Amino acid sequence: AQTVTQSQPEMSVQEAETVTLSCTYDTSENNYYLFWYKQPPSRQMILVIRQEAYKQQNATENRFSVNFQKAAKSFSLKISDSQLGDTAMYFCAFMDYSGGGADGLTFGKGTHLIIQP
Amino acid sequence: DVKVTQSSRYLVKRTGEKVFLECVQDMDHENMFWYRQDPGLGLRLIYFSYDVKMKEKGDIPEGYSVSREKKERFSLILESASTNQTSMYLCASSPRTSGKNEQFFGPGTRLTVL
Repeated sequence: AQTVTQSQPEMSVQEAETVTLSCTYDTSENNYYLFWYKQPPSRQMILVIRQEAYKQQNATENRFSVNFQKAAKSFSLKISDSQLGDTAMYFCAFMDYSGGGADGLTFGKGTHLIIQP
Repeated sequence: DVKVTQSSRYLVKRTGEKVFLECVQDMDHENMFWYRQDPGLGLRLIYFSYDVKMKEKGDIPEGYSVSREKKERFSLILESASTNQTSMYLCASSPRTSGKNEQFFGPGTRLTVL
């Protein structure tokens, strides 16, 4: 079974600062995906960024980037130039792809990120 | 845009009642999922389905069942609701093969069992 650990229950930064959310995971699988999901106060969960384990290059999406360290089983999210709209719960999630993607996600407990004006 | 809808945003039921939570997606996705979200615990997978009439247990299936009679609809059933099932329930869907493996979530149903 996989486990995902987010060690920061809450973080607070000033607008425009850069913030890094940490995530570690444990698995014996080689074929998997990692995700960061964002859940704003309105509760609709949306995908922020994904990383395929077989890719060495770190994924980036505009202001969001990851630091994927496969050997260390670490998958941190960096948010650059943070904005008030980035305030949300952020969940790190793992998918074992041996089932072809039909299996569910394993989530961490989440990090509540607050962007202060 | 992919849309996943859930029948209720808020629901209040009494202990012992049979509860149905409905989820509908409009993008012809094969895979559908039910999670529950609790503070400090993140999201946990209850059941999932990869095809009509197919279902698989997730990590916490006890006390729940599911039904998938049509591709677009996935129902979560609490046969006899208990207070420890008070939670936020999130439905999600994903296509079988997309190369992206993104799950699309509904807005959630906050269930309170009294």
